Amino acid sequence: DAMVIQNPRYQVTQFGKPVTLSCSQTLNHNVMYWYQQKSSQAPKLLFHYYDKDFNNEADTPDNFQSRRPNTSFCFLDIRSPGLGDAAMYLCATSRHRERDYTFGSGTRLTVV
Amino acid sequence: QKEVEQNSGPLSVPEGAIASLNCTYSDRGSQSFFWYRQYSGKSPELIMFIYSNGDKEDGRFTAQLNKASQYVSLLIRDSQPSDSATYLCAVSPYNTDKLIFGTGTRLQVFP
Repeated sequence: DAMVIQNPRYQVTQFGKPVTLSCSQTLNHNVMYWYQQKSSQAPKLLFHYYDKDFNNEADTPDNFQSRRPNTSFCFLDIRSPGLGDAAMYLCATSRHRERDYTFGSGTRLTVV
Repeated sequence: QKEVEQNSGPLSVPEGAIASLNCTYSDRGSQSFFWYRQYSGKSPELIMFIYSNGDKEDGRFTAQLNKASQYVSLLIRDSQPSDSATYLCAVSPYNTDKLIFGTGTRLQVFP
């Protein structure tokens, strides 16, 4: 089945130690998104790619970076995780302007 | 003003009742509206979407859209305990691929 896969499901990282979360898709969707969802809060869009065109939200901290080496993969890099970065990170995909969003299962990040 | 607003709840309804969930949005140009259900610790799952003014029904769920009032709602008929979850309203603004979420309404259906 075509899907969006996030690895790992759970990630524990040390305060200040760089961490990378990954997302892959078999849907061949040209748009990929990263959301951050803290407890009892709305999923917050960090950035999205339309093909290789990167779109950063204005309030996304510089500590968060992203890479999309090809259509299938997208990475979220947190350069120096702080305690406030503990959250569920959701990857989603869609076709451009089709709004057929598909979400991955998420990665729960814990910062110790 | 938040882009998408929902009452956080919890909304408690007895089993078999109708649950009514509401959402308002600020971008008048928004064209696509979505309702997602999210169980604790899980990712959002799509319940239904609506693009046009009026009602759209899918099984026990009815979405209602009023663009003039910038208001979208979700009705759940014959509520079941398994419907207990957080319901997220999401809006896709005009001329963008982005999907903007509200904070969600927690629904509790008690037997």
